[in-house]
Amino acid sequence: KNEVEQSPQNLTAQEGEFITINCSYSVGISALHWLQQHPGGGIVSLFMLSSGKKKHGRLIATINIQEKHSSLHITASHPRDSAVYICAVAYNNNDMRFGAGTRLTVKP
Amino acid sequence: NAGVTQTPKFRVLKTGQSMTLLCAQDMNHEYMYWYRQDPGMGLRLIHYSVGEGTTAKGEVPDGYNVSRLKKQNFLLGLESAAPSQTSVYFCASRRWGYTFGSGTRLTVV
Repeated sequence: KNEVEQSPQNLTAQEGEFITINCSYSVGISALHWLQQHPGGGIVSLFMLSSGKKKHGRLIATINIQEKHSSLHITASHPRDSAVYICAVAYNNNDMRFGAGTRLTVKP
Repeated sequence: NAGVTQTPKFRVLKTGQSMTLLCAQDMNHEYMYWYRQDPGMGLRLIHYSVGEGTTAKGEVPDGYNVSRLKKQNFLLGLESAAPSQTSVYFCASRRWGYTFGSGTRLTVV
């Protein structure tokens, strides 16, 4: 079945930098989710999208259905953005496959 | 407004022991899920439920059983724990977006 590939696996940035995390998948999906996993382990849902672009504060998520690709952007990054960012694709209501995550470290 | 609560947070089991992980949600969500997270791998679905009294197998169901006797609770059971079940377990519930519990770190020795 589908594989979800994220890049990069690890990313270190300086505070204030613009961050981009990429996610690619291989077959058609019903929706794509971006999740954030804090150093303590908790997972928070950031976005769910099936087309276009969504923005919440400094976070922007885009998806290109034709190219089977999504990006998560963080503008003006801050050390508190340090976390693992996970891309997950949903085939239907209950079959969701997760990427291995991108570990982001933002240095002050 | 607790969201999704998982108990326990940590547990160490000996091989062959049994245990039950409890997931409780107070959002009246129909859908509930159990995932495991292993190093270097994405979350993998163990079992899920689309409503009270229903359960279904996910991607990696072997060695686990589940029950959803009440809408707000989703229990994950390990009848005879094995070292391969050492993992971090996450419960989630869903209406539109997902709400995750804080995880249970299980070690089987």
